[in-house]
Amino acid sequence: QVKLQQSGAELVKPGASVKLSCKTSGYTFSTSYMSWFKQIPGQSIEWIGMIYAGDGGTGYNQKFKGKATLTVDTSSSTAYMDLSSLTTEDSAVYFCAREAWDVMDAWGQGASVTVSS
Amino acid sequence: DIQMTQTPSSMPASLGERVTISCRASQGISNYLNWYQQKPDGTIKPLIYYTSNLQSGVPSRFSGSGSGTDYSLTISSLEPEDFAMYYCQQYDSSPWTFGGGTKLELK
Repeated sequence: QVKLQQSGAELVKPGASVKLSCKTSGYTFSTSYMSWFKQIPGQSIEWIGMIYAGDGGTGYNQKFKGKATLTVDTSSSTAYMDLSSLTTEDSAVYFCAREAWDVMDAWGQGASVTVSS
Repeated sequence: DIQMTQTPSSMPASLGERVTISCRASQGISNYLNWYQQKPDGTIKPLIYYTSNLQSGVPSRFSGSGSGTDYSLTISSLEPEDFAMYYCQQYDSSPWTFGGGTKLELK
């Protein structure tokens, strides 16, 4: 079955960067779309952007341009999200999700990022 | 950006009860509306896509309806596993946006 396994929790210092991973299995990654989301505990969900694994083409929420960079490695069926110049406002849980026919039909378990000195 | 307003933000309900959660968009979204469930452990699951289509494996007690700016999710008879957070999400125009969520709680 479709599985999305995200990397573990991160504790990072302000100003640093972090790279989150989302390893997939159970479907053809190379012709799929992957979206990433941010959720601050107790709050709703924000869409960060999406990437098409076939050619690496991306689309971002304007709010996260310059903050998040999405990439893929088709050889390992893994999607990545780089978050740069981290501040305390970036502390959140980040999810990856496969987007198929305009619905996010499979989600990763989430990865917590805590930005603290 | 399209704003999605969900009501209520929390809803106490009993097992077997019929409940409806509403979602209003700040402009018409042409039925491009999905519903998701999030459990306390963070797990997120799709329920309904394109307003009224049941995602594979989702029980038939879940249903969705609506048009224009107003949409709703109905659970016909609450089961213990249904007590969770529910979010609507529009995909009519980028960026995709979510409602604020509805917490379904056991009364």
